[in-house]
Amino acid sequence: KAGVTQTPRYLIKTRGQQVTLSCSPISGHRSVSWYQQTPGQGLQFLFEYFSETQRNKGNFPGRFSGRQFSNSRSEMNVSTLELGDSALYLCASSLQGTGGDTQYFGPGTRLTVL
Amino acid sequence: GDSVTQMEGPVTLSEEAFLTINCTYTATGYPSLFWYVQYPGEGLQLLLKATKADDKGSNKGFEATYRKETTSFHLEKGSVQVSDSAVYFCALAQGNEKLTFGTGTRLTIIP
Repeated sequence: KAGVTQTPRYLIKTRGQQVTLSCSPISGHRSVSWYQQTPGQGLQFLFEYFSETQRNKGNFPGRFSGRQFSNSRSEMNVSTLELGDSALYLCASSLQGTGGDTQYFGPGTRLTVL
Repeated sequence: GDSVTQMEGPVTLSEEAFLTINCTYTATGYPSLFWYVQYPGEGLQLLLKATKADDKGSNKGFEATYRKETTSFHLEKGSVQVSDSAVYFCALAQGNEKLTFGTGTRLTIIP
């Protein structure tokens, strides 16, 4: 079974631009979560989607948004990029997204904002 | 809110040494507990998990036991290898909630 895939793997943008990251979950998984990883803040939860609905949201500004499609693929969008948005963005999928479910992570998209 | 505290790194050991990485948690309910590992340039891989008290998770020679009385989930391995060099994250989740991660512990194994 194919794992979680994320595209692109690397991105370089400039301040003020916007960016869209894509995540394809493991087949059959309906929950997709997004995390931001930085050296200073560690791993922080952005949001989680289940059956095309945002079910949980972390403490990030409204510039960070996401969506999920009927095939469970998910995208996240960051508008008006800031230098501090430079990070590794990780997507994880699980069957139902409940506490006991295992979340399987993709390789991440490394975003650099100049 | 829920939180995870892990042993500060970095940790440097010689090959075949015994490894312990401490992890304690604070949670209102009965969370599931996880250890994830991150190799350089990669995403997170699940190493092991435990979903209830006294459960022991194990994988690739690593073990961790869910201790409710001490709210701990320490990671152990009897004999580490150079290939175990990575960053290890302890995490918890409950209900439909997100994974809450510790800060990570960088482990380096010297031949």
